[in-house]
Amino acid sequence: NAGVTQTPKFQVLKTGQSMTLQCAQDMNHEYMSWYRQDPGMGLRLIHYSVGAGITDQGEVPNGYNVSRSTTEDFPLRLLSAAPSQTSVYFCASSTLDGGAEQYFGPGTRLTVT
Amino acid sequence: DAKTTQPPSMDCAEGRAANLPCNHSTISGNEYVYWYRQIHSQGPQYIIHGLKNNETNEMASLIITEDRKSSTLILPHATLRDTAVYYCIVRHPNYGGSQGNLIFGKGTKLSVKP
Repeated sequence: NAGVTQTPKFQVLKTGQSMTLQCAQDMNHEYMSWYRQDPGMGLRLIHYSVGAGITDQGEVPNGYNVSRSTTEDFPLRLLSAAPSQTSVYFCASSTLDGGAEQYFGPGTRLTVT
Repeated sequence: DAKTTQPPSMDCAEGRAANLPCNHSTISGNEYVYWYRQIHSQGPQYIIHGLKNNETNEMASLIITEDRKSSTLILPHATLRDTAVYYCIVRHPNYGGSQGNLIFGKGTKLSVKP
């Protein structure tokens, strides 16, 4: 199986544009999450989901929307991109077992000019 | 905020054991200790986790003190490819609330030198 996949790998947006970062997993994981990582910083949680139809906010949700219509997919939408959203975005997934490990995707590098 | 404290950086000679410490003095009885690493700009990679007992897998060993207030990740024979940022994370087993999420701190940048 492919694990966690993210598209695109790189993206450049102009301020005010919108876009969707895609995340998919083929491991039938209930839990999925989105993080952003700014230069020299640790990862910060944006949104997460514990199953289809269920989403919740993380540490830095402003400016981002998510939905979870299927178990496999968890897209992240930027409605009106701002330079402050320039970052690397990582998606992760796991089962809901208490001690489960999370699997991370390779990341999407986003630049907003 | 992260519930762990780690040194910002450490060096290790290639072939020697790397011992990475982590303090988590406010850990609750049912919270797990996880270790992840991030090599350059790749996605974080799971290494190991534990609750109370010491754990070992093909990558590393995790030693948790008896009072569970600190732990040490041991890479037994560090190689240049182990150069990375290592994150120690405390996580609640219940995914139904925000406390079940992985909250990353700044980690320890381990440099393995020839």
